[in-house]
Parts: sequence; C-alpha cells; structure tokens
Amino acid sequence: EVQLVESGGGLVKPGGSLRLSCVGSGFSFTNAWMNWVRQAPGKGLEWVGRIKSKADGETRDNAAPVKGRFTISRDDSKHTLFLQMNSLQTEDTAVYYCTTLMKDNAGDAVDIWGHGTMVIVSS
Amino acid sequence: SYELTQPPSVSVSPGQTARITCSGDALPKKYAYWYQQKSGQAPVLVIYEDTRRPSGIPERFSGSSSGAMATLTINGAQVEDEADYYCCSTDSSGIQWVFGGGTKLTVL
Repeated sequence: EVQLVESGGGLVKPGGSLRLSCVGSGFSFTNAWMNWVRQAPGKGLEWVGRIKSKADGETRDNAAPVKGRFTISRDDSKHTLFLQMNSLQTEDTAVYYCTTLMKDNAGDAVDIWGHGTMVIVSS
Repeated sequence: SYELTQPPSVSVSPGQTARITCSGDALPKKYAYWYQQKSGQAPVLVIYEDTRRPSGIPERFSGSSSGAMATLTINGAQVEDEADYYCCSTDSSGIQWVFGGGTKLTVL
C-alpha cells in the first residue's frame, strides 16, 4: 500500500523545539522529492518546505516564515523524512502533512499525502 | 512574497457547472495544480500541470489556464464535490511553492 505516516506532533511551549517524522512505503521514496505542508486550525494550506532526492542533490528550500528555524532532512535507508522545528511560535500551530507528487511509469501523477500530525505551540 | 488569489466561495446547484479561478503573476509560465480537501481529510490532487487529471478523478473535473489565470471547472457538480479547493503553483524562480487561499464550494 502506498502511504505516508507522520508522527512526532504534540504540545510545545513558545521557543521550544520539536522533530516530526514521516515514513513512506509502497513507492520509491529514494527518488521522491518530499514536501511538508501545514494547515493552521480553520485556515488554508501553507507550503513549509521541500527536500529533493539525493540523486538531485538533496537541495532544501523553505518558505519564508520558517526559514532559519525549520530544517528538512531525510534518511533514505529508513524511508523517513524529518522536520526539525526550532524557536517555535504560536503561529506555527497547525496540522503538518508530508506529501510528494511523483510520476508513474506512464507519466501520470501519483499524489501521496500523510494523515497529518498536530503541533500545538502554547504556554 | 508571491501570492495566488482565489475567490473565497462559489455556490452552485447540483448538476450545474462550477468554476473556480486562481490568479497569479507567474501562472503564464508556471503550471497550476488543484487540490480538493473535504472536512477533516488530507487534500487530494484533482488537476495537475494545468489540465491533466490524475487517475481515479472523475471526468467532470477539468482544468485550464490562460495568461495569469488558471481555472478549475466541475461540469455537473454533485453534492459530494462540496469541499475546499486550493490552487498551487510556484513563484517565477520555481523554488517557492504557494497555495491560494482556498475556495469553499457549496453544492445545494
């Protein structure tokens, strides 16, 4: 079964840190460009950042609101994506999704999202 | 920072055609992607690369793009199509991905 499963969410105080994980299965994780997307309660989707595959240089890019605070990494041997979040702020409260958009052998899109993990930043 | 603009809401009766627009300065050169999100669920891709429909998405969903505007069209909208719809694309550099603010589609 093709799936992504996030974990690591929880309650953290402002200024604190948290590390999210996302395990992929059923697809070629090693070749996938992986993204983190978040959704604050009652709000829209917001792209957080992306890491390319190792073959494509493992380049990391983050959205402006998290630049310098969040770091994306991956462990292809464990099919796992990470999001290290430091200096957390109340506005970082959101459901965090990992996701990837790939092409199958026929060139058609394969879109995979996890179920999301909730992060609450509150004192 | 780059922005994609969508109408907050669109309302149609069952069987009618729903159109949701997305405007952005980089759209003439960058693809648009459309996601459907039902309450409490993860988003689902319904259109990619402006006009292409993923496997399993009903044919009533179609996409188009002209100039700085992309459009998601649902021909013969059904009650089960009620959801929030988000367009997504990149800025002109191709590095920063952006979602539109979302459009709540009501079918009743």
